[in-house]
Amino acid sequence: GAGVSQSPSNKVTEKGKDVELRCDPISGHTALYWYRQSLGQGLEFLIYFQGNSAPDKSGLPSDRFSAERTGGSVSTLTIQRTQQEDSAVYLCASSLTRQGIDGYTFGSGTRLTVV
Amino acid sequence: DAKTTQPTSMDCAEGRAANLPCNHSTISGNEYVYWYRQIHSQGPQYIIHGLKNNETNEMASLIITEDRKSSTLILPHATLRDTAVYYCIVRVAYGNQFYFGTGTSLTVIP
Repeated sequence: GAGVSQSPSNKVTEKGKDVELRCDPISGHTALYWYRQSLGQGLEFLIYFQGNSAPDKSGLPSDRFSAERTGGSVSTLTIQRTQQEDSAVYLCASSLTRQGIDGYTFGSGTRLTVV
Repeated sequence: DAKTTQPTSMDCAEGRAANLPCNHSTISGNEYVYWYRQIHSQGPQYIIHGLKNNETNEMASLIITEDRKSSTLILPHATLRDTAVYYCIVRVAYGNQFYFGTGTSLTVIP
């Protein structure tokens, strides 16, 4: 597609439920990133995928968070047993060049609200 | 990655040049300067990056001082749509992530 597509754009879930957030990167982009942004805060790195290499999971805040990237394209971020502090905008980005040396393209994000 | 310092907020009159400063006095020789912006309720948008030389593209110009300890992003003719938070980031070429700080909130005034 023309840009990075994320779905859903908004998600309201009850505390304790699991959620899945989807990211479709730009076709041909080998690098994919997940960040999150809490209200009024800066962006927090979560995870990075580069081709077939093992992902950099150093930013995942707890073992309730996981992500996968199937076939080097679509990625899913899963949050298990959601907590209210998980409420944030989850942003996905992709880049054509390795590790985003020429910059990332971000999607519009998924706004997650845990009630 | 080196730390950057930016003003919290700035105003600019519509049609005038917006000059956004960034200090990165501890930058290393292999670190690039990147600029992104984030318009309200949208994901960040890459603007420009550079190592030593000044750079220009269709969006902006990046001026890096000779000692590389500071830089300025220039939007030559600011429009209302340029109102956004602007992030200055320094990073090695092949880092795994960008560290987004708090940036500069630019307001373009009619």
